[in-house]
Amino acid sequence: ETGVTQTPRHLVMGMTNKKSLKCEQHLGHNAMYWYKQSAKKPLELMFVYSLEERVENNSVPSRFSPECPNSSHLFLHLHTLQPEDSALYLCASSQEGGQGISGNTIYFGEGSWLTVV
Amino acid sequence: GQNIDQPTEMTATEGAIVQINCTYQTSGFNGLFWYQQHAGEAPTFLSYNVLDGLEEKGRFSSFLSRSKGYSYLLLKELQMKDSASYLCAASGGGGADGLTFGKGTHLIIQP
Repeated sequence: ETGVTQTPRHLVMGMTNKKSLKCEQHLGHNAMYWYKQSAKKPLELMFVYSLEERVENNSVPSRFSPECPNSSHLFLHLHTLQPEDSALYLCASSQEGGQGISGNTIYFGEGSWLTVV
Repeated sequence: GQNIDQPTEMTATEGAIVQINCTYQTSGFNGLFWYQQHAGEAPTFLSYNVLDGLEEKGRFSSFLSRSKGYSYLLLKELQMKDSASYLCAASGGGGADGLTFGKGTHLIIQP
């Protein structure tokens, strides 16, 4: 148990579907992240939210739409995805403004396995 | 830009010692992390270095040389459960900017 919970753990969707991934953190952190992990590739940072404001978007296609209603919850809305979007999507959180290890360490959820058919 | 390099795969024997190297090039630097990831699971935090030198934590140690852009993770008394991917990650110039990860080193432990 990492303190970061993601649902669903597994999702299969068609290319015309609309679905959402949900993340909740119980660590009292003020920054949350979405990462994508594909086979044979490094973890890719998709979105960063700090104090509920989006601070970074690494040129992610608009078919991925994040939402951060409060510091504990993060969503990733999915629409008209492509088969190459099939991957493990990891949510993470950290405490921005802290020093050293406590300020930088990112804690990951278990991930949502997404398959686009 | 950010670039993290680490070996793709390593094999070691149960009970032995293994060193996993990582080199990084980052536009800003605020620390070097190592994570462990078992197949099908989330990455879990192992260590953090921001100053030069060795940090020891039980069977695992991590080393950093900022001037060389180099780190290693040392695993001692290897156990079968240590078979996993080990991810090297660098923190950028500060703030909630996330981490840049390497591709990970898949460590195979043989009896």
